[in-house]
Amino acid sequence: EVQLLESGGGLEQPGGALRLSCAASGFTFSSYGMSWVRQAPGKGLEWVSTISGSDSTTYYADSVKGRFTISRDNPKNTLYLQMNSLRVEDSALYYCAKGILGATVVNDHWGQGTLVTVSS
Amino acid sequence: QSVLTQPPSASGTPGQRVTISCSGSSSNIGSNAVDWYQQLPGTAPELLIYSNDQRPSGVPDRFSGSKSVTSASLAISGLQSEDEADYFCAAWDDSLIGVVFGGGTKLTVL
Repeated sequence: EVQLLESGGGLEQPGGALRLSCAASGFTFSSYGMSWVRQAPGKGLEWVSTISGSDSTTYYADSVKGRFTISRDNPKNTLYLQMNSLRVEDSALYYCAKGILGATVVNDHWGQGTLVTVSS
Repeated sequence: QSVLTQPPSASGTPGQRVTISCSGSSSNIGSNAVDWYQQLPGTAPELLIYSNDQRPSGVPDRFSGSKSVTSASLAISGLQSEDEADYFCAAWDDSLIGVVFGGGTKLTVL
């Protein structure tokens, strides 16, 4: 059974940093692309970043480019999102999601999310 | 303002057929496949349709997807109370070099 467990969220001040983690199990982690998608309270889904499984190519939304870094540790089956220079508008529930073979950004499994709140 | 445009709400009665539209442009829906996600209240999204019209295993065939030029549609037939949820379309955008989502459609089963 595929399981994705996010952690690392919390309350941070504007300009601060947080590192999110996503522990994956139940599949061959290194073979699949992984993504972060966020959802502000009461709002829709916003894609944040994707990392491919094959060569760890990365993609970012313009809203986070230059501030966030996605990475993966395949031996540890863990996905990360380093979030720097946090802004109030980064406040959201951050989901980790697994891609499907042949379509990295099609997410067939999602975690339950970790909440990030940026406020002074 | 979402890149993909969905109606904010839709409704239907049990047993009815409902469609939800998703409008984009040549750089996203016009060039790439469309996926649909269902988000039940208080839960994480789930993949409902991928590659325009493909259902993951376990998704009932009451759900179907289609695409035409720069628009896509999700159809739900035999509407059930448990279909009450938010539905989001998504596609890769060649200009933005990233995934774009629709703003979501809240489906109410009357």
